[in-house]
Amino acid sequence: EIVMTQSPATLSVSPGERATLSCRASQSVSSNLAWYQQKPGQAPRLLIYGASTRATGIPARFSGSGSGTEFTLTISSLQSEDFAVYYCQQYNNWPSPIAFGPGTKVDIK
Amino acid sequence: QVQLVQSGAEVKKPGASVKVSCKASGYTFTSYGISWVRQAPGQGLEWMGWISAYNGNTNYAQKLQGRVTMTTDTSTSTAYMELRSLRSDDTAVYYCARGYEVNDYWGQGTLVTVSS
Repeated sequence: EIVMTQSPATLSVSPGERATLSCRASQSVSSNLAWYQQKPGQAPRLLIYGASTRATGIPARFSGSGSGTEFTLTISSLQSEDFAVYYCQQYNNWPSPIAFGPGTKVDIK
Repeated sequence: QVQLVQSGAEVKKPGASVKVSCKASGYTFTSYGISWVRQAPGQGLEWMGWISAYNGNTNYAQKLQGRVTMTTDTSTSTAYMELRSLRSDDTAVYYCARGYEVNDYWGQGTLVTVSS
């Protein structure tokens, strides 16, 4: 079973600053990695899939990178609406079980 | 536009069962799978499994095997998730989402509370 970890647990950032979130897999997941954003009281929203492909309608300030076991989500210039919890998710070797990371909360500094 | 609309909140006693529905619209239902994900209060996302809306094939998380059943009704474009032998730690918001591995549209969530 693949275990996902994320760091940091909480990231305090000022609006307009850059945010870098990390996700690590316990074994290689190739590029089968997605990122989701979740705001309080809302369902998750798909941001990135295939480690680096933005989903439909996602602003260009969101970018994903990495492969194998190390991945990064970068928000180039944080907007007020970006303060949320971000989850990574691996889907390698489908239909093997899917796993989410524990999340990184991005809050206002 | 693609929409997934879930059934309303439920309160159940320990040992009971719950069945949550997820009605899809705005796309060809049988062309995608439906995944189920739950989130306990203040916690992260937990993948529960998926069902093919095309042929009914399922893939369940190992920890839920034997307690969960996912089904679909293609005549109404509705997916269902039934969880049996409910325990207090099953209290969570249950989400349906379109897709097998990557989920691009999500339902609004259904709160299931298990309490005596």
